[in-house]
Parts: sequence; structure tokens; C-alpha cells
Amino acid sequence: GAVVSQHPSRVICKSGTSVKIECRSLDFQATTMFWYRQFPKQSLMLMATSNEGSKATYEQGVEKDKFLINHASLTLSTLTVTSAHPEDSSFYICSARGLDRDAGELFFGEGSRLTVL
Amino acid sequence: GEDVEQSLFLSVREGDSSVINCTYTDSSSTYLYWYKQEPGAGLQLLTYIFSNMDMKQDQRLTVLLNKKDKHLSLRIADTQTGDSAIYFCAELYSSASKIIFGSGTRLSIRP
Repeated sequence: GAVVSQHPSRVICKSGTSVKIECRSLDFQATTMFWYRQFPKQSLMLMATSNEGSKATYEQGVEKDKFLINHASLTLSTLTVTSAHPEDSSFYICSARGLDRDAGELFFGEGSRLTVL
Repeated sequence: GEDVEQSLFLSVREGDSSVINCTYTDSSSTYLYWYKQEPGAGLQLLTYIFSNMDMKQDQRLTVLLNKKDKHLSLRIADTQTGDSAIYFCAELYSSASKIIFGSGTRLSIRP
């Protein structure tokens, strides 16, 4: 099946620093990528939807200046958590839909666990 | 509104069938999904169904969709210990092209 890879899988940073998480589609071109956040023992909360070459669409309540999303190519989207604070600690997961895949297929990365000290 | 609901827990005996249920609100949804998440891991796509289908079967997995009642279920036949995980149903809201997840059902297997 299609593979979506995230990097890093775990990151620990100091409060006030910025952290970048990458999401790559390895064997297909991803026209749309989604970024989710998951708190412990909770469901996934959609943060934003990004389409290649255009600005991301953010969900209500998600600060676009805090969570910068870039989808510069058909295989890569990045999420940058700027000026991270402990409350930003969470499990971030990306997903991707493919240009040459069945319209219904949506694959997820392995997730990136962010811990802000 | 956008809402996908699931029961939080399900316990079944090894070898029995597991049925995980999900209800959703958007009648215009095009695709509905079932994902599996093991502790500390990402989401694994198990199966999905297009909204014009009533049933989809894939080996031990059977998905039933009742569009009238906006009800989706996942049946796992011959449940094994390796099936222990959290199962999420999700709905693609075609009007907004976004995926909304249920709360997840934690499936535990007893001997």
C-alpha cells in the first residue's frame, strides 16, 4: 500500500523554540495533505488542510501563525510549530490523498510526538 | 454540525466476532473509513467504503453502511489478540473535503 512517512518521530525541545515536522508521500503524489493533533487517549483533531501550491485552510481555533504549514511539492508538506510552549506537546499526525490513487484512499504517517519542556 | 460518534470500549472473547459501531451526521459524506491505532503508533487504514455501497468485505473485515440511519459498523471475524487496538471511524465531508474522526473504540480481547 501507499506509504506516508513523518519525520522526526519524536522531538523534545525547549519552550520558545520552533520545531519542524515533515510529512512525505513515498510512492504517490499527494495533492492534499491533512494535519491532525491527537491528545492522549483522545481522537484526532483536524488542524488544517493543505493543497499543493496553495495556502493551507485552517480549522476554527487553530492559530495559523503558530502552526505554519507549507505544501511546496506533491510529495512533501511541513508543519512548523513556532515559539513552542508546553501546551503544544502532543502527537501530530499527517495524512495524504493521492493524485493517482483511488479518491477514497487516505493514508496516515506514523506520527510525531512533540514534547516541549 | 460535524459529528462522528462511537462507543469508547468493547471487550470480546478471543475467536468471537467483534462489531464496532459508528454514527455520523453528514448525509452528503462520500467515503467512510475504519482505521486501527496501536499504542504510540500512527493510524493504519483498514478499509473504507463509498457511500453508494451497503457492504464491503475484506478477509476478516466486513463493513456495513446504513445511509438512512447514518450508521456504519465494522465486524472483525475470529478476533485475535493482535486485534487489540483503538478503532476509529472517520467520515469524509465532501462539502469541505475534510476528514472528521470519531472518538475511537478501544477493543480488548479476553482469553
